[in-house]
Amino acid sequence: GQNIDQPTEMTATEGAIVQINCTYQTSGFNGLFWYQQHAGEAPTFLSYNVLDGLEEKGRFSSFLSRSKGYSYLLLKELQMKDSASYLCAVLDSNYQLIWGAGTKLIIKP
Amino acid sequence: GAVVSQHPSWVICKSGTSVKIECRSLDFQATTMFWYRQFPKQSLMLMATSNEGSKATYEQGVEKDKFLINHASLTLSTLTVTSAHPEDSSFYICSASGQGDFNEQFFGPGTRLTVL
Repeated sequence: GQNIDQPTEMTATEGAIVQINCTYQTSGFNGLFWYQQHAGEAPTFLSYNVLDGLEEKGRFSSFLSRSKGYSYLLLKELQMKDSASYLCAVLDSNYQLIWGAGTKLIIKP
Repeated sequence: GAVVSQHPSWVICKSGTSVKIECRSLDFQATTMFWYRQFPKQSLMLMATSNEGSKATYEQGVEKDKFLINHASLTLSTLTVTSAHPEDSSFYICSASGQGDFNEQFFGPGTRLTVL
């Protein structure tokens, strides 16, 4: 079966750095997405990785290792507004998006 | 760019009534639209995928006769929950693709449905 694993919840301090991991086992791979979802709102697109390596976009970076079926989202200089759920999703061989359950990130002052 | 709207934002209805939710891509033509349902503290559950002018593809376990999807144009898709019951109460979110560099999905703001 297809499976995406990410931690259920993480806590970090304002101004610090946090890494949210995602491991996947899917039938084929056509890219991995990270989305941010604030409570009661719809997800918003953060990043897309299809090749191995690190993609940096401001305070957020996303890393992919296809051989390990592994990705992480790195958030730097954490702000209170970064408190949200972060969803990892993989595009499988049929170009269907397989969603992880999301990681709830709690930022403390 | 890549804005997706949903209407209504929230709706409360009586059991047995039907509810229609509209999803529009405001500034781009969406080749594909998706309908999701999300229960509290759970991840997104894809209900169906639709392309303009063709029948929607429903995920396993989703009743096509209960959740009617009409994708009439490249900018509009509608989801009708027929004969709604309290267990249909959920957060319904649509998304559209066709604009982004990575064919990513752009999400509407969601519709919170409460069936009494």
